[in-house]
Amino acid sequence: ETGVTQTPRHLVMGMTNKKSLKCEQHLGHNAMYWYKQSAKKPLELMFVYSLEERVENNSVPSRFSPECPNSSHLFLHLHTLQPEDSALYLCASSQDITSGSYNEQFFGPGTRLTVL
Amino acid sequence: GDSVTQMEGPVTLSEEAFLTINCTYTATGYPSLFWYVQYPGEGLQLLLKATKADDKGSNKGFEATYRKETTSFHLEKGSVQVSDSAVYFCALSDGGNAGKSTFGDGTTLTVKP
Repeated sequence: ETGVTQTPRHLVMGMTNKKSLKCEQHLGHNAMYWYKQSAKKPLELMFVYSLEERVENNSVPSRFSPECPNSSHLFLHLHTLQPEDSALYLCASSQDITSGSYNEQFFGPGTRLTVL
Repeated sequence: GDSVTQMEGPVTLSEEAFLTINCTYTATGYPSLFWYVQYPGEGLQLLLKATKADDKGSNKGFEATYRKETTSFHLEKGSVQVSDSAVYFCALSDGGNAGKSTFGDGTTLTVKP
């Protein structure tokens, strides 16, 4: 595998379910990100991790819980979601969290989440 | 704070037409600038980048020049193809902002044969 992979690609869940999204990067990067992309809305940054430490949490509801066990893996644990949480969830990684070309981001294909 | 404003879409062009998608930015420091492209059903991928003033990024026939005096990074292509149909995002990265990239809202381009 190369680049950034995400599983599952599609997920349908009820509001009472608990599920997890998985992201893996094979690029040796130190920073990883979760974004939410909703139809007709700007890309929303949710969480930023650097060297497995969370460095940013953009006022995301607690029903979204990130986990970064190592610099190659990032999870997003979901529980008691709402229908308005239906969106494409994108994972990305970058070399580091400094300025310059190192902060070019590499995105996974996304998980299309539907909450019923 | 940092911000990116890009041309609203959607943009519809005929094949071989000239493309311009405008992008202007506001940043406190000296950001790096990027154009990303998102094809249907996929994540974003980097199209081109520029790290300092007057740099020109280019890739696949697309070009953009980092203009510090006008705080702009407009995307251009001389002759678009149907396969260029996608959503284009202008973005900046400001190292003083915890490595966060700021994205524009995206411009949807449709190229008709």
